[in-house]
Amino acid sequence: NAGVTQTPKFRVLKTGQSMTLLCAQDMNHEYMYWYRQDPGMGLRLIHYSVGEGTTAKGEVPDGYNVSRLKKQNFLLGLESAAPSQTSVYFCASRTLGASNTGELFFGEGSRLTVL
Amino acid sequence: AQKVTQAQTEISVVEKEDVTLDCVYETRDTTYYLFWYKQPPSGELVFLIRRNSFDEQNEISGRYSWNFQKSTSSFNFTITASQVVDSAVYFCALSAVYPGGTSYGKLTFGQGTILTVHP
Repeated sequence: NAGVTQTPKFRVLKTGQSMTLLCAQDMNHEYMYWYRQDPGMGLRLIHYSVGEGTTAKGEVPDGYNVSRLKKQNFLLGLESAAPSQTSVYFCASRTLGASNTGELFFGEGSRLTVL
Repeated sequence: AQKVTQAQTEISVVEKEDVTLDCVYETRDTTYYLFWYKQPPSGELVFLIRRNSFDEQNEISGRYSWNFQKSTSSFNFTITASQVVDSAVYFCALSAVYPGGTSYGKLTFGQGTILTVHP
């Protein structure tokens, strides 16, 4: 059982370049999230999705776009990368069904460096 | 709005010492979950425990114990007889039981406490 898988795991970009992080979950979860982790700030929510075809902004959405065309995939895009977006990005998912325990299932993280 | 505060940024102990990591939270939800996660140097987030807001029973799991006090909105984590392998960043987190309104099922994290256990 793969759980939540993020690709790529590492990426170095130059300022102004674009890229997409892919998150895939095989647990049929309804909710999906993108967080970023920065030293001393914990994990902060960028965008989230409550179902296929829907997305919404979290706490720190500026500079990012997301899409959820399929229930199992949640894409995070950076159209014009900036050094302030250097961070570790975590994808997570959660179910609303009978097995709802409030727990989020996390991917392994993607380390992005913007030069 | 939800808020989680971990006042201790860094803690350094010597092996075999006991250590307590503090967590204080704020929420308007009447039912909620509290979590602790461990993030070792390898970077992944490791789930440690979940508590329901309506269950204030303390829990012990091996060298780990958790003290939940709803009256003070605290959910502290104690490691007894610490070991070098306990060195990690520890996060306390909060989520609503029923996603909705402004919480949308997200986890709200504290800033994290860096624990270093020296041999």
